[in-house]
Amino acid sequence: TQLLEQSPQFLSIQEGENLTVYCNSSSVFSSLQWYRQEPGEGPVLLVTVVTGGEVKKLKRLTFQFGDARKDSSLHITAAQPGDTGLYLCAGDQGAQKLVFGQGTRLTINP
Amino acid sequence: SAVISQKPSRDICQRGTSLTIQCQVDSQVTMMFWYRQQPGQSLTLIATANQGSEATYESGFVIDKFPISRPNLTFSTLTVSNMSPEDSSIYLCSAMGLSYYEQYFGPGTRLTVT
Repeated sequence: TQLLEQSPQFLSIQEGENLTVYCNSSSVFSSLQWYRQEPGEGPVLLVTVVTGGEVKKLKRLTFQFGDARKDSSLHITAAQPGDTGLYLCAGDQGAQKLVFGQGTRLTINP
Repeated sequence: SAVISQKPSRDICQRGTSLTIQCQVDSQVTMMFWYRQQPGQSLTLIATANQGSEATYESGFVIDKFPISRPNLTFSTLTVSNMSPEDSSIYLCSAMGLSYYEQYFGPGTRLTVT
């Protein structure tokens, strides 16, 4: 099974600050997905990156897939309290069988 | 996107018993999966639910413990058999959307074994 290391595991910052979450592996993935999960709910897909070097933006969130398709990052600009949640990266091992990182529990303080 | 519902949403069960979790998708999907999420932790894939054939299990998960059915393209069940407290977890089903690169999750079933 391929492994994904996600960091940091916990992050607490003030509203308005910027942050970056990292997802790293020694393995190559055919695609990588980012999810956000609220308490009591299932993960909600934010974005999928497929091509090495690909950058996708979702409002204040910027996602990047590494050139070698082994790593990815999520950057949030001007964080808001509504961004609070558990962020998960997941790599496709093939046939959409996902391996998840440990998750980053993000808290944005007003 | 696919909308996925699960029943029950939560349950408290005694050790040694079994619980069957249902997963219903609002549209026909090709791939369905079952995951486990232990408290405060990430998700681990249990198996791929195959329509019309036996499920494909990941390392560490066996059919006798987690039998899975998938009678059609919109429905699947996962049974947690002969439960022990170590089975206390959130069980989630997911389905692949119209795009190969989109996977949608149900809200999960929170299971507590006493």
